[in-house]
Amino acid sequence: TQLLEQSPQFLSIQEGENLTVYCNSSSVFSSLQWYRQEPGEGPVLLVTVVTGGEVKKLKRLTFQFGDARKDSSLHITAAQPGDTGLYLCAGNAGGTSYGKLTFGQGTILTVHP
Amino acid sequence: NAGVMQNPRHLVRRRGQEARLRCSPMKGHSHVYWYRQLPEEGLKFMVYLQKENIIDESGMPKERFSAEFPKEGPSILRIQQVVRGDSAAYFCASSPGSANEKLFFGSGTQLSVL
Repeated sequence: TQLLEQSPQFLSIQEGENLTVYCNSSSVFSSLQWYRQEPGEGPVLLVTVVTGGEVKKLKRLTFQFGDARKDSSLHITAAQPGDTGLYLCAGNAGGTSYGKLTFGQGTILTVHP
Repeated sequence: NAGVMQNPRHLVRRRGQEARLRCSPMKGHSHVYWYRQLPEEGLKFMVYLQKENIIDESGMPKERFSAEFPKEGPSILRIQQVVRGDSAAYFCASSPGSANEKLFFGSGTQLSVL
């Protein structure tokens, strides 16, 4: 069974600070996705990383896939209150069930004004 | 262009009753996935369906749970004889094709078993 360990579980910071969320596994994933989920809603895809060592930027968010494709990180620069939410990483092991994802436990981010 | 539609949003059942959760994928999407989010736990894969076919049900409990995606109409997740441990948020996601990993999630159905 593949597992994704996400840390930290909770993160409470002030507006303007930087933060990093980590997603680690002992298993190799063919791709890794990051989602954001608001209360009472489903997850919304932020990014997909596929290649080991890949870095993708989405405005103030930077996503990195580890060289061995076992880990990933999400870095937010100058966090804003609008960044508050639940962030989830999810890995795809490959094979024919492309949407069969293993999710991390999630990181609840709170950004205080 | 409507997204993935799930209904009902909230469902309350007493122990022993049946729960039926519906999911209409995005227009043009023929691949549907069901996930369950238990309190204090992450999202867990349950089942992957295409029209009239169950492709992967490795995450489905062996008893009481079933899923279908008929040729016409929404996908249905059915839970028979519900127990308190079935209380969770159930999410449906759809994708346009088998080689496309981009999932679009619905808003979920919150099932509460009394």
